[in-house]
Amino acid sequence: DTAVSQTPKYLVTQMGNDKSIKCEQNLGHDTMYWYKQDSKKFLKIMFSYNNKELIINETVPNRFSPKSPDKAHLNLHINSLELGDSAVYFCASSQEVGGYTFGSGTRLTVV
Amino acid sequence: GDSVTQMEGPVTLSEEAFLTINCTYTATGYPSLFWYVQYPGEGLQLLLKATKADDKGSNKGFEATYRKETTSFHLEKGSVQVSDSAVYFCALSDPRDSNYQLIWGAGTKLIIKP
Repeated sequence: DTAVSQTPKYLVTQMGNDKSIKCEQNLGHDTMYWYKQDSKKFLKIMFSYNNKELIINETVPNRFSPKSPDKAHLNLHINSLELGDSAVYFCASSQEVGGYTFGSGTRLTVV
Repeated sequence: GDSVTQMEGPVTLSEEAFLTINCTYTATGYPSLFWYVQYPGEGLQLLLKATKADDKGSNKGFEATYRKETTSFHLEKGSVQVSDSAVYFCALSDPRDSNYQLIWGAGTKLIIKP
């Protein structure tokens, strides 16, 4: 069983489109995250939810909107996609200090 | 604020060489320290951790010792293999942070040549 699963794994779309990435964890963790990893592998936290409540909302364009229907799911919706949004997006979950479990990532390419 | 600085990569070594990847940190409290590894095309995985000064974390032949006096947590391995080629991230977390947020280094790419 995959602990943190993201779909889709690859996403190629045109500028201006709206897309969603889904994330589910079956670990029973209370906290979930979205990270963006650029081409130089730099990791930037975007959002964090604890028990469906938004607790970290870093400076990202408001075109990005997270949604947590329950504590096992954290989805990321992106409106009006831009070229600069191309990156790998990782979902992660945690129940203890530093004990993150990451998904395998979604490679988003905006053309 | 808290921060983590890693040596810049890529680090290129031959198989069976000794590895050191440097990591230093700045923190106001007493952080926990971590190394994560990202293999090509995959998500990050926790490699090892240390939660207090002089603790040594170890896993898969890798080791790192929490050095409070030098604010460092360098990653070492005695004999690397081609399969160790990956990106390695050093990170810290303030145990007082109930959100378990990690402060990440920039990552160091390791390339092992046969």
